[in-house]
Amino acid sequence: EAQVTQNPRYLITVTGKKLTVTCSQNMNHEYMSWYRQDPGLGLRQIYYSMNVEVTDKGDVPEGYKVSRKEKRNFPLILESPSPNQTSLYFCASRKQGAGNTIYFGEGSWLTVV
Amino acid sequence: KNQVEQSPQSLIILEGKNCTLQCNYTVSPFSNLRWYKQDTGRGPVSLTIMTFSENTKSNGRYTATLDADTKQSSLHITASQLSDSASYICVVSAKPDGGSQGNLIFGKGTKLSVKP
Repeated sequence: EAQVTQNPRYLITVTGKKLTVTCSQNMNHEYMSWYRQDPGLGLRQIYYSMNVEVTDKGDVPEGYKVSRKEKRNFPLILESPSPNQTSLYFCASRKQGAGNTIYFGEGSWLTVV
Repeated sequence: KNQVEQSPQSLIILEGKNCTLQCNYTVSPFSNLRWYKQDTGRGPVSLTIMTFSENTKSNGRYTATLDADTKQSSLHITASQLSDSASYICVVSAKPDGGSQGNLIFGKGTKLSVKP
């Protein structure tokens, strides 16, 4: 079954404590990306990757890092989380080419206190 | 500025009724337009993708239309069911100069509630 898997699904953490949200896809997709979704703002892109070792900033990259060492994995790193990073996060992937279907993960609810 | 505007923000309809959701965009150059369904707290799921040359596409009880001249799209839901209660998101892809991936511009979604 085609899947984008995120972990953890739910997390409450404290300000400044580094955390990583993992994302893995089993479809051999080249393109992967991270979004955050906040009430009234819709989905906003944080970072994206067009292939292994190729990453680029999206619309709201501040406070986040990513890496793409393997094709299937695209972790999102919050080096020093702050309360304004409390949000619902989605990882997504698709085959290379703008017209292909985007597959989203189930989301990770992150609360920073 | 590339923008995607959806209307209405929210909509309540009775089970069995039809409804139409609107999406207006100012994205240029245009590559494709997608509609997604997002259940509360879940990841969006693709309903349709349309390119410039397509003006209608169906997926079961969902029918999307595209008018590339007026830069408008609509999503029509026929014979609504309780399970149609969700947010519906319009996403437009722009072709970056010299690129092949395309930038995605998301609308804020229409929240549909289907009541028994």
